[in-house]
Amino acid sequence: DTAVSQTPKYLVTQMGNDKSIKCEQNLGHDTMYWYKQDSKKFLKIMFSYNNKELIINETVPNRFSPKSPDKAHLNLHINSLELGDSAVYFCASSLWDDIKGRYNREQFFGPGTRLTVL
Amino acid sequence: GENVEQHPSTLSVQEGDSAVIKCTYSDSASNYFPWYKQELGKRPQLIIDIRSNVGEKKDQRIAVTLNKTAKHFSLHITETQPEDSAVYFCAASSRAAGNTGKLIFGQGTTLQVKP
Repeated sequence: DTAVSQTPKYLVTQMGNDKSIKCEQNLGHDTMYWYKQDSKKFLKIMFSYNNKELIINETVPNRFSPKSPDKAHLNLHINSLELGDSAVYFCASSLWDDIKGRYNREQFFGPGTRLTVL
Repeated sequence: GENVEQHPSTLSVQEGDSAVIKCTYSDSASNYFPWYKQELGKRPQLIIDIRSNVGEKKDQRIAVTLNKTAKHFSLHITETQPEDSAVYFCAASSRAAGNTGKLIFGQGTTLQVKP
């Protein structure tokens, strides 16, 4: 079974449209992330949720809005899509070890969603 | 702000040779340094990581070294094989990031292993 899954895998849309990407993890993790990978392969964190609470909110246009209905799901909604939004978007998840305070743990990535804005 | 610089951006080696990728970080509070491998069209996957209380870690043909004083860490791959061809990313995470587990990635190194 896929540990971190994303839908859709490919998304082609016109400028100005609104679209959503969904992410689910079945690893029992409590922290989830959204990354953007541009055409030069650079990976940049966008958002992170821990137990449904937003904990990382990088300098991202407010057209991007994450939502975490529960610990296992993190969705990304993008309004008024622009050409520059074309990229691969990766969801990832990890587990905080509160007992030992080991919050730096392996992040498991989803397969990615390739967004193309025409 | 936090920054991670990675070099080289591309690396071509003959099968069986060693490959070394180097990263430097700016935040002296960084304490976790993972390395991810991303094959073409695939997701990044962790291959090895090191914490700031350790200077070196090895796992079969891959090893990572950390120099906290100089704020740099390196990935070493020995006896390279064609299946090692991929993009490799270093990353750093800091406790100063407010316990968020936030990773700052390097720019990536495209490794090509020629048969």
